Formats: sequence, C-alpha cells, structure tokens
Amino acid sequence: AVQLVESGGGLVQPKESLKISCAASGFTFSNAAMYWVRQAPGKGLEWVARIRTKPNNYATYYADSVKGRFTISRDDSKSMVYLQMDNLKTEDTAMYYCTAPILRVSQFAYWGQGTLVTVSS
Amino acid sequence: DVVLTQTPVAQPVTLGDQASISCRSSQSLVHSNGNTYLEWYLQKPGQSPQLLIYKVSNRFSGVPDRFIGSGSGSDFTLKISRVEPEDLGVYYCFQATHDPFTFGSGTKLEIK
Repeated sequence: AVQLVESGGGLVQPKESLKISCAASGFTFSNAAMYWVRQAPGKGLEWVARIRTKPNNYATYYADSVKGRFTISRDDSKSMVYLQMDNLKTEDTAMYYCTAPILRVSQFAYWGQGTLVTVSS
Repeated sequence: DVVLTQTPVAQPVTLGDQASISCRSSQSLVHSNGNTYLEWYLQKPGQSPQLLIYKVSNRFSGVPDRFIGSGSGSDFTLKISRVEPEDLGVYYCFQATHDPFTFGSGTKLEIK
C-alpha cells in the first residue's frame, strides 16, 4: 500500500529556516512527480511546490507565495522528498502535506498525514 | 491564476437526502490534450484530504457510486445522493489543467 510519512515540522521564529521531509513507499517513487500542499489553520488548501522526475530534469515549480524562499528536492535512492523553507513568515504557518500521483488519474491521489509548521515569535 | 468559486459555502443536509455542490471556474478547464482536469476532494474532520472524483466524473478507487461528478468547460457539480454520516466534512474542487494548480475555497457539508 502507498504510504507517505511527513516529518520535521515544529515551531520556528519569523525569518528562520526549516526543512521538512516526506518518506514514500508502496509505489515506484522515481517515476512520480511529487508535491507539497499546505493548509493554514481553519483555512483551505494551497498547492505549494512540485518536483518532476529525472527524465524531466527534476524540474521544480512553486506557488508565487513561496517562490524564492522555498526549495523542493528529492532523493530517489531513498524515496524521499524535502521542502527547505527559508525566511519563514507567520503566514507560512500551516499543516504541510506530501502528495503522490497515480498516472493518468490524479496528481494528488495519495496524501500523507501532514506535518505542522508554526511560525511565531 | 484560475479561480474556482464553490457554492454554497455550507450545505446543511438531512441524512438520507441529496446534496449538491457547484464549482465554477474563471476560465475553461479543457486542456489542450482534450482532457478536463477537474477533481473533487473530501476532507473529513481531523483527516487529510482524500480524492473522490477525477477528470470531472470518474470515481476514484473505493468511492461509493452515491458520489456523482458532472459538468464541462467551466461549470461543474458534485452530487451526493443519500447522504451518510461518513460523508460529512469539507469538499474542495481542484483544477490541474492550468499552472498553477488551484483549489476552490471549500463547501462544508453539515447536518441540518
């Protein structure tokens, strides 16, 4: 069965950095584009970042709200995807979900349980 | 960016009745390849979102046939017949036709 397990969330101060991780299993990780989606407390869902596969040169894409501050990366040998978050702002406080696709079905077919990032002084 | 407008914001419903949620897009969601990448998700209280419907009307694995997605172009609907307690939560529409991908703001299905 597909499993996505996020980790690394916590409480940080504004302008600090944090790196969160997602461990994937149950599918061919190296063939899958991977995503991060976030949800601020009591709010809706926001796509944050996307990383494509090796044949697509690991191309990355970001929401405007995080562009220049967040970096998505992956390690196919470990089936891991990461989100490096720099210069954090209070508005980045959210649950961060890792998602995985099913080809020709959906990019967000599977979701992890999320990791909570709180940015506060 | 594509804006998805969901109505209503909250949908009070009696168990066993039908519920209907609308999702309107600020532009057509027909991709140049002919597919329409409009999806529906349900987020139950305290849980991660789960995929219900993909490409407008296709039910994801394990989704009951009480959930019916329909629509075309920029106007879409999710109907839930015979609402059961496990159907309660927030429903989101989502588009993956245009970059950046975007979600609707959500519709809360609640007991009347």
